[in-house]
This record gives sequence, C-alpha cells and structure tokens, in this order.
Amino acid sequence: EPEVTQTPSHQVTQMGQEVILRCVPISNHLYFYWYRQILGQKVEFLVSFYNNEISEKSEIFDDQFSVERPDGSNFTLKIRSTKLEDSAMYFCASSRLAPGNQPQHFGDGTRLSIL
Amino acid sequence: KNEVEQSPQNLTAQEGEFITINCSYSVGISALHWLQQHPGGGIVSLFMLSSGKKKHGRLIATINIQEKHSSLHITASHPRDSAVYICAVGDNTDKLIFGTGTRLQVFP
Repeated sequence: EPEVTQTPSHQVTQMGQEVILRCVPISNHLYFYWYRQILGQKVEFLVSFYNNEISEKSEIFDDQFSVERPDGSNFTLKIRSTKLEDSAMYFCASSRLAPGNQPQHFGDGTRLSIL
Repeated sequence: KNEVEQSPQNLTAQEGEFITINCSYSVGISALHWLQQHPGGGIVSLFMLSSGKKKHGRLIATINIQEKHSSLHITASHPRDSAVYICAVGDNTDKLIFGTGTRLQVFP
C-alpha cells in the first residue's frame, strides 16, 4: 500500500538555525497537510496545501514557517529561525480528495529537537 | 471553536476484553476521524465517519450526530491493540481538531 514518507526521522538543530522537514506524499494525492505534536500534548493542525498554495493555516503557522512543493513530489516545511518551543514531532499527511471526503494518510513523523 | 474531549484518558484491559473509547465534540462537524498512534509515534487512520456505524475487523466506530458523540469499540482485544487512540473532527475547513487521545494497554 502506498505510504507517506518523511525524512529525516529525527533532526537535531541549534536554536536560531533554519530547518527543512521533508515529506513525499502519496503520488495521486492532491491535498497536503502538516501537523505538530509537542511531547505529551495533542496533535495540532499547522497548515493545509492544495493546488500549489496554502488553503488554510493555524495561528501556530506564523511568519517563521513556510511550506513548498518544489518539484511535484516533495512537500516541505521550513522553519526559518528555530526556537526551543519548536521541539516537537511533525507529521505530514495527504489525501486524494478534499478534507471531509476522505481519510488523511499520515507519515511516521519527524522528531525535531532544538538545542 | 470546537472542543474535542475523549474518555477515558488511560485504559487497561485483559486480552479478550471488549473496549470502548468515547469522544464528544462541541460544534457541528463534517466528519469525525479515529486514528491510532503507535508507541513509535506513527499515526494510522482507522475510520472516517459522518453518520451511523463502520466496522473493520475487530474495530467498530459509531457516531451520533445529534448528541455530538462517537465511540470506538474493540472486540476481543489483543496486546497488539495497545496504542493511543485519537479522535479528531473536521468542519467545513481543512483543519482537523484533535482530542488528547486515550492510551490503551492490553495485557496477555
């Protein structure tokens, strides 16, 4: 069965550095998402992306965050200047149809540790 | 703003027991999702439902739209069912709002 893949599985970065988290969604999917889960807390929506633009974003997704689909297969989340509170598990997800019409398929996550 | 509450927060069961996990939400939704999060952190979608009942193997999910309530049942539970089960709701936007999860441990 096709999977959403995320790399790296664990990223350790110094505070203030830029980090890029990478995702390869399922190939025929059209909707892409990033979520965040701080250790011990609930999963939180960050952003959704469709037709090469952001369709929705949460209050968490401020100017330090950006997303891109650079080459038609990868979907990336960039954090420009990382803070300690950015330490979390980041999940990428994708779906073929619009939200509400089909389940989302999740990757295994990237654990981001900011030192 | 939709609030999603799950109960119980933690659940321990003996192998073979029937398990029920509950989810309540506060505002009308377009769909409700049940997800399973493994100890390593990966998330798997179990069900998406907007009405009635769905069954997949030993898992059954029900939803009552009027009462804004859903249940996830596991029949004949097994140690491999041990995981965190998460309820998430979607409205007419792209956003999913997640509950805090129910940690299930099934002992042999």
